[in-house]
Formats: sequence, structure tokens, C-alpha cells
Amino acid sequence: SQTIHQWPATLVQPVGSPLSLECTVEGTSNPNLYWYRQAAGRGLQLLFYSVGIGQISSEVPQNLSASRPQDRQFILSSKKLLLSDSGFYLCAFFSRDRGETEAFFGQGTRLTVV
Amino acid sequence: GQNIDQPTEMTATEGAIVQINCTYQTSGFNGLFWYQQHAGEAPTFLSYNVLDGLEEKGRFSSFLSRSKGYSYLLLKELQMKDSASYLCAVRDRSNYQLIWGAGTKLIIKP
Repeated sequence: SQTIHQWPATLVQPVGSPLSLECTVEGTSNPNLYWYRQAAGRGLQLLFYSVGIGQISSEVPQNLSASRPQDRQFILSSKKLLLSDSGFYLCAFFSRDRGETEAFFGQGTRLTVV
Repeated sequence: GQNIDQPTEMTATEGAIVQINCTYQTSGFNGLFWYQQHAGEAPTFLSYNVLDGLEEKGRFSSFLSRSKGYSYLLLKELQMKDSASYLCAVRDRSNYQLIWGAGTKLIIKP
């Protein structure tokens, strides 16, 4: 079965500290991977997506970066966090087995920058 | 431009029926999704419509009219656990990305 793992679930970081959120997928190969951010009471904002190893597209210029070192691994990073980086971060992939008609989400990471 | 509109909040009674509407504008339509999201959790998939008409899945149904840029999610026999936010998302054909609505918070009262 196809699963997606994202960690950590919660994170409290001081302003100016680095960030690394990791997401891994199982049960599928060559998935399209996504990082979203959701502010309280808002929809999902696409941050980055990747169609393959080393291929990253950025949708919003910001303080964050993403990398895909392996086929089923997607990492969201920052060198220096800002207060505005606080939010709920979600990793997702579309299931190719179902004609990409269903997106699977990781459990999410609640990031609070203090 | 691309835009999705859905009501911010709705209230319904346990056991009743509720319809959550979603209107969208997109340059190239390639499917509409409905997701349920409980507070503090990740969204979970409910339905996918790409052709006009009604898709039924248990207590939940989703309708699509591409000519009107309109969809609704119908929830029957409401249960307290249905209290959640319901997100509408449209996939853009040009870049295959999802455009998300802000979500409708559904409050179920006994």
C-alpha cells in the first residue's frame, strides 16, 4: 500500500534557527511530491513541487528551500527562520496508480517560530 | 485568473443534510477534489469529479457542473464526527497543480 511519512509532528524553533522537515513515501516510485503550508483558517498554499530527483519547482519566493535527494524523499529547509514561517506544513503526493485522482498527505508539521 | 470560492462557515444539525458549495474559475480545468480536514490534522480525500454529474460515496456525494464552474458536496445523516473543514480544490490543466479554496468550517449541533 502507498503511504507517506512526515516528521516531526510539532516543532518550536527560535527566530534565526535552521529548519529541516523530512517526508518519505512508500509503496510507489517516481511520485510527484509537494510541500504545502496552511495558515490558520486558510487554504493550502503550494510551496514546492518535484517531479523527480533533484527537480524542484518553487511557487512562492520565500525564506524556504526544498530538495529531493532520493526518489521517495522530499526535504523542506530554511537557513534562518522568520516569525512569518510559522504554520502547518504538509507533504503530499498523487497516487499514479489511481490516475493521479487522489492526493495523499503526511500527518503535517505544526511549526511555531518564537 | 484562478479563483475558488466556498462559504467560510456553516452550521447544521445532527441527522440532517447539508450542502457545501464551491465555485471556481480556472484557465484549464482538470478535475475537482473535495477533502475533509479535522482541526490540527492533514486533509483526507473525499471525492474527485472530472465529468459533469453526481458521484455518490456512502453518506457523501459530490456534484460537478463544468459549464457553470460549480460543485457541491452533500453530506447526509450528519454525525458529530462530521464537524470539520471541507476543502474544495481544482486541478489546473496547464501545470497539473491544485488550486485550493480556503475551506468551509462545518459545525454540527446536537
